[in-house]
Amino acid sequence: DGGITQSPKYLFRKEGQNVTLSCEQNLNHDAMYWYRQDPGQGLRLIYYSQIVNDFQKGDIAEGYSVSREKKESFPLTVTSAQKNPTAFYLCASTLLGANTGELFFGEGSRLTVL
Amino acid sequence: DQQVKQNSPSLSVQEGRISILNCDYTNSMFDYFLWYKKYPAEGPTFLISISSIKDKNEDGRFTVFLNKSAKHLSLHIVPSQPGDSAVYFCALRSGGYNKLIFGAGTRLAVHP
Repeated sequence: DGGITQSPKYLFRKEGQNVTLSCEQNLNHDAMYWYRQDPGQGLRLIYYSQIVNDFQKGDIAEGYSVSREKKESFPLTVTSAQKNPTAFYLCASTLLGANTGELFFGEGSRLTVL
Repeated sequence: DQQVKQNSPSLSVQEGRISILNCDYTNSMFDYFLWYKKYPAEGPTFLISISSIKDKNEDGRFTVFLNKSAKHLSLHIVPSQPGDSAVYFCALRSGGYNKLIFGAGTRLAVHP
């Protein structure tokens, strides 16, 4: 079945450590996105990528990094520079030609910094 | 400055009645308006959308209304069912990169 797979589902990290969240899609979508959700808030855009080897900062990119070496994969690294990394992270993808604006989301990864 | 606001953090509705979720925005440049449904610890799932050139779109029990002059979007669910209990986000698209701006969400509880 086609879809978006995020891993791990739950992750614990000590302060000062970098962690990488995986996002893989087999939908043949062009664009991929990373969002962050905090309690009582909407989803906020961290980074997005429209094509391989290209990506742009979203609204809250500080303390995060991404890569897009393959169309199917868009990993997110939460660095030690991110001051409040504990959150629920969501990866999404879409076909750029889709006019409805719909994004398809993965199941999410919950990161907790101890 | 919040571009998208869902002013009701929660809503409680009796089963069989209508649920109305609201969303207000400030920017006139959005071209698509979407509603997503989200269960705890899961990713959001797309529910229904509407283009800026329309004022109503229906899909079964779900209807989305767009009032551009008032910059107001609403989702009507009728009849409401217990399985509709979830957090509902409105999401607005501006530009061609499919970047969505999300509201803070409204938690809907449908009780028997």
